[in-house]
Amino acid sequence: NAGVTQTPKFQVLKTGQSMTLQCAQDMNHEYMSWYRQDPGMGLRLIHYSVGAGITDQGEVPNGYNVSRSTTEDFPLRLLSAAPSQTSVYFCASSLSGGYYEQYFGPGTRLTVT
Amino acid sequence: KQEVTQIPAALSVPEGENLVLNCSFTDSAIYNLQWFRQDPGKGLTSLLLIQSSQREQTSGRLNASLDKSSGRSTLYIAASQPGDSATYLCAVDRGSTLGRLYFGRGTQLTVWP
Repeated sequence: NAGVTQTPKFQVLKTGQSMTLQCAQDMNHEYMSWYRQDPGMGLRLIHYSVGAGITDQGEVPNGYNVSRSTTEDFPLRLLSAAPSQTSVYFCASSLSGGYYEQYFGPGTRLTVT
Repeated sequence: KQEVTQIPAALSVPEGENLVLNCSFTDSAIYNLQWFRQDPGKGLTSLLLIQSSQREQTSGRLNASLDKSSGRSTLYIAASQPGDSATYLCAVDRGSTLGRLYFGRGTQLTVWP
């Protein structure tokens, strides 16, 4: 089991560029989510999915897009990068939302200049 | 809105000490509480998950307790070691958005030899 994997590990973007952060899990988990971690702010939920074809917004969704075409993959798209999106992004998964342990990927460190 | 607070923000102790890390949350209507460990530049590693109906969970030298009515959890680390140095994060799953975790800002622990 690879668990939750994320690519790339590091990325530098210019303002206005777009990109996709990849997240995959091999545990057959229904629930997947994206968080961002900023100094002094703690982790905040961006988007989440309770299964293939079902996504919803979290606390800080603006500027991000998600889709879930398969159980395994949950990519996060930055539509037009802004310096305020400089952060560390974590993907997480669990068997189901609510009662189960959540597993986190290693993170993607994104810098927008 | 659920607020999660962790005290202290930082802790530095000599090897061998028994430690208590504190976590408090404002809304007692939670599904579970999870303690994570984060090493610098790394992802989150799940340490313990306590369901709302449970009072405590143990794993090796770690023991986590939950008092839902008072909105508190403690993580007890016995016989601390330098390898325990990391940031410890507490997160509650409130359940209004299933699976959404509300994180504290963490306790940065340093154990020196």
